[in-house]
Amino acid sequence: AQSVTQPDIHITVSEGASLELRCNYSYGATPYLFWYVQSPGQGLQLLLKYFSGDTLVQGIKGFEAEFKRSQSSFNLRKPSVHWSDAAEYFCAVGAGSGGSNYKLTFGKGTLLTVNP
Amino acid sequence: DTGVSQNPRHKITKRGQNVTFRCDPISEHNRLYWYRQTLGQGPEFLTYFQNEAQLEKSRLLSDRFSAERPKGSFSTLEIQRTEQGDSAMYLCASSFASTVAQAFFGQGTRLTVV
Repeated sequence: AQSVTQPDIHITVSEGASLELRCNYSYGATPYLFWYVQSPGQGLQLLLKYFSGDTLVQGIKGFEAEFKRSQSSFNLRKPSVHWSDAAEYFCAVGAGSGGSNYKLTFGKGTLLTVNP
Repeated sequence: DTGVSQNPRHKITKRGQNVTFRCDPISEHNRLYWYRQTLGQGPEFLTYFQNEAQLEKSRLLSDRFSAERPKGSFSTLEIQRTEQGDSAMYLCASSFASTVAQAFFGQGTRLTVV
């Protein structure tokens, strides 16, 4: 069965600093990988996804992530954090019959605090 | 289209009562998913529909839970004889039935069982 580990429960950065959120996955086949963001009391918004091809993927709000098969990782990065980026971030792997992505397994999330 | 809509946003119920949540997906989407998110955890898959057919149920979905999607449009999730452990955020998502489809999430229904 697939699993996702987000080693950092809580990260604090200063506004303007760079950010890297870690994600490791376990899945037997080629994974479909996602990063979602959740603001308090809100649903999940997709930041970016990786299905195949270029291992560096660009997303919304200036985020990018790099798929490294050898390390089973899909870390999220942003060069300069804005105060509005404060939220909880979830990494997820998609799996299902026929390789579809309908069933997402999420990590426990990383809460990002941004200091002014 | 305004995205995935869930009602109610909040529900407080007494232990032992039945509750029902509704999800209206994006109209063109034929797949609909339910997830449950407890405090400090990521969402966990409960079940999913393709059109009106319920194709998979997680072991998390006990006999007290039932989900329907009549006519392949909106879906309801009912919890019978609620327990305090059912307190959680219930999230609905929808997508096209494509290998590379993206799932769009609603804002969720927060259930508190007292």
